[in-house]
Amino acid sequence: DAKTTQPNSMESNEEEPVHLPCNHSTISGTDYIHWYRQLPSQGPEYVIHGLTSNVNNRMASLAIAEDRKSSTLILHRATLRDAAVYYCILRDIAGNQFYFGTGTSLTVIP
Amino acid sequence: DAGVIQSPRHEVTEMGQEVTLRCKPISGHNSLFWYRQTMMRGLELLIYFNNNVPIDDSGMPEDRFSAKMPNASFSTLKIQPSEPRDSAVYFCASTWSSGGASEQYFGPGTRLTVT
Repeated sequence: DAKTTQPNSMESNEEEPVHLPCNHSTISGTDYIHWYRQLPSQGPEYVIHGLTSNVNNRMASLAIAEDRKSSTLILHRATLRDAAVYYCILRDIAGNQFYFGTGTSLTVIP
Repeated sequence: DAGVIQSPRHEVTEMGQEVTLRCKPISGHNSLFWYRQTMMRGLELLIYFNNNVPIDDSGMPEDRFSAKMPNASFSTLKIQPSEPRDSAVYFCASTWSSGGASEQYFGPGTRLTVT
């Protein structure tokens, strides 16, 4: 099963950009890269997903390496409300899902 | 839309009792997922359904766990008999497509405590 590797924790100053990395060296050509985040005491929340090209939405940007073995979630201006655990997961084209892993706990410093 | 609805939000029960968790997916969604989250094991996928049919139940820990989806608007996760190690937060999620590009919408979770 294709899995992902993320740093356990990261810190960022408020209003600065944050780059959250994810390694997925065993990704297959048809696996989608998804990012979710989980705020304290809440269920996970969808952030963004992509296949090959970089993606932007109102919440974040997703930069995907050319070989697709890694990706980076970019929060352009971190706010205190962005403090959460961020998960990078892979889903194949049929929708079969792999592991959430431990995610990256993001701390935003005022 | 009200989002994914789970009930109860909190459940405290004694070891050996039957526990039933309920989930109402977002209307129009055709895939439903059950997850369990603990500090030790993180977020684990237990089972998922597509068009009310169980597709992958490899994450169900043992025979004490069972899940059903009798129709498109309702699913249950049952634990019988319950054990203290089943204590966790159980999440239900739904999505509009079974394909890999679809995003999942999670409910608020049910916090289960088995004493």
